[in-house]
Amino acid sequence: DAGVTQSPTHLIKTRGQQVTLRCSPKSGHDTVSWYQQALGQGPQFIFQYYEEEERQRGNFPDRFSGHQFPNYSSELNVNALLLGDSALYLCASSLAGGATDNEQFFGPGTRLTVL
Amino acid sequence: SQQGEEDPQALSIQEGENATMNCSYKTSINNLQWYRQNSGRGLVHLILIRSNEREKHSGRLRVTLDTSKKSSSLLITASRAADTASYFCATEALNRDDKIIFGKGTRLHILP
Repeated sequence: DAGVTQSPTHLIKTRGQQVTLRCSPKSGHDTVSWYQQALGQGPQFIFQYYEEEERQRGNFPDRFSGHQFPNYSSELNVNALLLGDSALYLCASSLAGGATDNEQFFGPGTRLTVL
Repeated sequence: SQQGEEDPQALSIQEGENATMNCSYKTSINNLQWYRQNSGRGLVHLILIRSNEREKHSGRLRVTLDTSKKSSSLLITASRAADTASYFCATEALNRDDKIIFGKGTRLHILP
């Protein structure tokens, strides 16, 4: 049973560029959430996708956008990269509906460095 | 914004001792979860405690929840070197908007 996978593992970009990060959820999960974790901080919620639509969004600018595909995998896109976008980007999957608990399973993350 | 605040920010103890970390949060919650993170890698879910529960155990882990004080504690008994990691509490708000809000974490270091 594959867990949450993310690609790439590491990425180096320059300011102004655009980046796409990818996530495949745990088998059987239909909901994907994205988090940004700056060094020494806790993860910050970016947004969540369910049924190919953005369901919730945190306090992030429109430069951050996403997509969910019919197979539940997801992409995070960041445009016009800033130095401050350097962080570990974490994807988490869960199963929506029914259960009252929202246990999320996290992937290993993508380390983005913006130069 | 961060919902939870872990205390202490950093903790160093000898192997074999117990480690206690605390978490305070601001709004009413549906549940509170503790996660572990090793060296900037992905987070590992440790334990979830619902708002109507007061204590929960999982192996060497014991979690308590006091909703009147809006606080939780994580106790790791008989610590091991492999417990060295950052520990985060995360809360799901009572309105179940499905956002999980994390604190800043406690960095735990187990000394040999």
